Amino acid sequence: KQEVTQIPAALSVPEGENLVLNCSFTDSAIYNLQWFRQDPGKGLTSLLLIQSSQREQTSGRLNASLDKSSGRSTLYIAASQPGDSATYLCAVISGYALNFGKGTSLLVTP
Amino acid sequence: EAGVTQFPSHSVIEKGQTVTLRCDPISGHDNLYWYRRVMGKEIKFLLHFVKESKQDESGMPNNRFLAERTGGTYSTLKVQPAELEDSGVYFCASSRQGYTEAFFGQGTRLTVV
Repeated sequence: KQEVTQIPAALSVPEGENLVLNCSFTDSAIYNLQWFRQDPGKGLTSLLLIQSSQREQTSGRLNASLDKSSGRSTLYIAASQPGDSATYLCAVISGYALNFGKGTSLLVTP
Repeated sequence: EAGVTQFPSHSVIEKGQTVTLRCDPISGHDNLYWYRRVMGKEIKFLLHFVKESKQDESGMPNNRFLAERTGGTYSTLKVQPAELEDSGVYFCASSRQGYTEAFFGQGTRLTVV
């Protein structure tokens, strides 16, 4: 059974800092890994999808890496802004279903 | 292109009543999923449709939950009768064929009192 863990559970940083969110999973037989953002009371917004054959994906200030063999992914956010405040969720696809972690709650203070 | 749309956004019902949630996926997406998040827990898979066929319903909690997908378009999730532990946020997601990027709706917050 796939278990997904996200560390830290919560993070508070001052504006402008670079930060790293961590995701680990127990079963390396995955198809894809997807990072999402969730704002309070809203749905999930897809940030990045990494195919199992890829090592990383970049979108603007976001960079996600994937190391399947060690069961780890990181989401790097450069030059954080208050608008980045949200919960960030990591999900792995093994089979067709997404297996989610509990998320990291990020607060970027001005 | 419209995103995944869910109705209603909130629902408060009494224990024992019936509630039906609706999801309209992105047009052309064959895969449709239902997920649920209960308080303090991670988002959990409920079931998966490919077009109108149920591919995997291993996450459905019990037989009080019934999902349908009419003609491979919109989907409904009915809870009958609702229990207190059914409270949570129900998300719908859709994706193209295969193991592709999933897009989520805004969720339906269900409260059973």
